[in-house]
Amino acid sequence: IAGITQAPTSQILAAGRRMTLRCTQDMRHNAMYWYRQDLGLGLRLIHYSNTAGTTGKGEVPDGYSVSRANTDDFPLTLASAVPSQTSVYFCASSPLAGGNNEQFFGPGTRLTVL
Amino acid sequence: GQNIDQPTEMTATEGAIVQINCTYQTSGFNGLFWYQQHAGEAPTFLSYNVLDGLEEKGRFSSFLSRSKGYSYLLLKELQMKDSASYLCAVEDSNYQLIWGAGTKLIIKP
Repeated sequence: IAGITQAPTSQILAAGRRMTLRCTQDMRHNAMYWYRQDLGLGLRLIHYSNTAGTTGKGEVPDGYSVSRANTDDFPLTLASAVPSQTSVYFCASSPLAGGNNEQFFGPGTRLTVL
Repeated sequence: GQNIDQPTEMTATEGAIVQINCTYQTSGFNGLFWYQQHAGEAPTFLSYNVLDGLEEKGRFSSFLSRSKGYSYLLLKELQMKDSASYLCAVEDSNYQLIWGAGTKLIIKP
């Protein structure tokens, strides 16, 4: 693989179910991010990780959890999905956190919670 | 609060020039980014400004005035493939990006 990948591409999920969105990068980037993108709103940061083994909360973390066991993977888990979590989810990575560090985005996961 | 404002939609003609404005109010400032996002795709990086002035990169230029909390993206010699949304994002004091809602640019032949 080259770059940053996400799985699944899309998913329809019943409310109350648990779901993990996967994100993997092969660029050896230290920092990784999860965003959600909703119509009419800017990208909103859910959680981030500045380096393997550390995570932090973004603007909209409630209902989501993340882990960063290694450099490459940064899964996002919805413990009990609700309809308001219907969105497009983007994972991104950057060489370092902050400064002139371009964020590279995965192709996104379109999630519908019914 | 933190706020990034951009026009929702703009229309321009192929071959022309268009300027997309972005104004911001954030807790701290560590740089401003512009990204391009085609419909149904991921955002891709266009430019980064941290000092006042104009940064030119081919047909695209980005300008920053920190004292005015203002930036613009200038696209020259517009092509049909430039039809996309353009996202302005400011890096705040926590080194996190605060994103505008994006400007949808429609190019007409």
